[in-house]
Amino acid sequence: AQSVTQLDSQVPVFEEAPVELRCNYSSSVSVYLFWYVQYPNQGLQLLLKYLSGSTLVKGINGFEAEFNKSQTSFHLRKPSVHISDTAEYFCAVFNTNAGKSTFGDGTTLTVKP
Amino acid sequence: KAGVTQTPRYLIKTRGQQVTLSCSPISGHRSVSWYQQTPGQGLQFLFEYFSETQRNKGNFPGRFSGRQFSNSRSEMNVSTLELGDSALYLCASSLEGQGVYSYNEQFFGPGTRLTVL
Repeated sequence: AQSVTQLDSQVPVFEEAPVELRCNYSSSVSVYLFWYVQYPNQGLQLLLKYLSGSTLVKGINGFEAEFNKSQTSFHLRKPSVHISDTAEYFCAVFNTNAGKSTFGDGTTLTVKP
Repeated sequence: KAGVTQTPRYLIKTRGQQVTLSCSPISGHRSVSWYQQTPGQGLQFLFEYFSETQRNKGNFPGRFSGRQFSNSRSEMNVSTLELGDSALYLCASSLEGQGVYSYNEQFFGPGTRLTVL
């Protein structure tokens, strides 16, 4: 069985400050990793994904994430956040054996002026 | 290209009733997946349909069912509604779906918010 743990349920941060949203996963098989963003009353939008290759992945809106296989982590970072980044962020893993995705519980990022 | 559309966007039902939710995928996408999102349980996978066949299923009771039509549109049905079924139901479409060792990017709809009273 696989699981995804987002270590912080809420992250408040001031505008233009850097932010890191943490995600750890456990899986006995090879996985693909994703970060999604959800704005109020909307569905999920893919921010970035790691399938293979370089462990540093760049996504939309200035976000990036680093895959660390030894620590089974996939933390999301942005060097300078905007008010418009306020949203809920989900980390997800795709089990390549079962063909299923598992999502974390989400991290609410609140950017204050 | 139009995105994934879900209807209705909001729905209020009472316990014991049944409900049908609809999802229209992006044109050309053949896979539709359904998810339930609640504050307590987070995002949970319900099932995936591909070419009118259920290809994958999560751990939900038989009250939750779905189907897919030849035009790839999908419906999800919940019978004998319970208070705990109150949730945001999200639909996601992808070109070929999620198969073993293969991943196709999922595009999510805005969801249907179901409230059971």
